Amino acid sequence: GESVGLHLPTLSVQEGDNSIINCAYSNSASDYFIWYKQESGKGPQFIIDIRSNMDKRQGQRVTVLLNKTVKHLSLQIAATQPGDSAVYFCAENSGGSNYKLTFGKGTLLTVNP
Amino acid sequence: SAVISQKPSRDICQRGTSLTIQCQVDSQVTMMFWYRQQPGQSLTLIATANQGSEATYESGFVIDKFPISRPNLTFSTLTVSNMSPEDSSIYLCSVARGGEHNEQFFGPGTRLTVL
Repeated sequence: GESVGLHLPTLSVQEGDNSIINCAYSNSASDYFIWYKQESGKGPQFIIDIRSNMDKRQGQRVTVLLNKTVKHLSLQIAATQPGDSAVYFCAENSGGSNYKLTFGKGTLLTVNP
Repeated sequence: SAVISQKPSRDICQRGTSLTIQCQVDSQVTMMFWYRQQPGQSLTLIATANQGSEATYESGFVIDKFPISRPNLTFSTLTVSNMSPEDSSIYLCSVARGGEHNEQFFGPGTRLTVL
């Protein structure tokens, strides 16, 4: 079946640097994407979403980029802080009345002080 | 976003027994889902909990093993039946308001260990 995957399972950055987490998806029918942050012992926390009619969306210190041509999604975190250390998941949804999400494998982000 | 709570937060159970997990939302939501997250893994959708009707299960999950109830728009339960150690996972409920709102929010999860 089609799936969502990640290029890098782990990412280590220095505090203050910018982080980029990547995700590849294979379902060309997917038209809605979400990034989640999951800290140890907690449920996934919604960070930012983007619809397929957009290629960029910005939030507070985060930016999501969508490249539909190559089916690639990225999450950029500016001025990464120790509190950003977590596992980050991308998830896709094929839209319509189907709200089901397919999750990628996750990337562990470690921020070194 | 909705405030979602789950009970219990964690449990240790003996094989062959069953555990019912509760999910409570602070507002009415159209969609409720149950996911499983095995240790160190990503999330896998178990089923969509439909209000007033039988849940819709994903491939690999069956009602006899994971019966689900959804009596109203703010509450759902998932039962893990006849448990084995392979059922040790985090079980998460999520909600979506529906309509144009695809955003899906998750509860804190229930950490289940089966001995």
